[in-house]
Amino acid sequence: GAGVSQSPSNKVTEKGKDVELRCDPISGHTALYWYRQSLGQGLEFLIYFQGNSAPDKSGLPSDRFSAERTGGSVSTLTIQRTQQEDSAVYLCASSSRPYEQYFGPGTRLTVT
Amino acid sequence: KQEVTQIPAALSVPEGENLVLNCSFTDSAIYNLQWFRQDPGKGLTSLLLIQSSQREQTSGRLNASLDKSSGRSTLYIAASQPGDSATYLCAVPGGYQKVTFGTGTKLQVIP
Repeated sequence: GAGVSQSPSNKVTEKGKDVELRCDPISGHTALYWYRQSLGQGLEFLIYFQGNSAPDKSGLPSDRFSAERTGGSVSTLTIQRTQQEDSAVYLCASSSRPYEQYFGPGTRLTVT
Repeated sequence: KQEVTQIPAALSVPEGENLVLNCSFTDSAIYNLQWFRQDPGKGLTSLLLIQSSQREQTSGRLNASLDKSSGRSTLYIAASQPGDSATYLCAVPGGYQKVTFGTGTKLQVIP
């Protein structure tokens, strides 16, 4: 079946602009995660959605970052007033069972 | 707080060699453990998932073992190939519905 998809695959934006990154999880997966991976670094947890429950936003680095998940499926991560330190690969994962994750190909964000 | 360590950080081997990657975690009360590979600039591909009740899982040339009591897992790759070159990550539960990832082992298989 179809895996997790993310769009765009690459995004170049100017400092100060807003960007939206999209994640389409595996059909039927109730859990969805966003991570950030800076160059040469490990995965940094950003936010977690589970069904209709309130999301766990504990990993969002600042109030410039927000995410929503519509209809329990597609999720959008929004970064407002982008900064150069936001440049990274943003990864989305979905899950149907506890602690078992399947990742999308990621969105490479470059802030110039 | 769950901490995950992977040793070695980098490994270079000639093609055809068998190799072992190590993953250690501090909190042994885990639900499962998952091994991933990551190609440069790409997402993570799930390789193997071991449930806490299992001791090992196999997929093709890959075999992953789990020793919960000692907080260790190993990923064994048989007859390595250049296409195996990637970064290998292990992941274990670390908090409610959260997963803690190791920092990875970067593998290079030399033709």
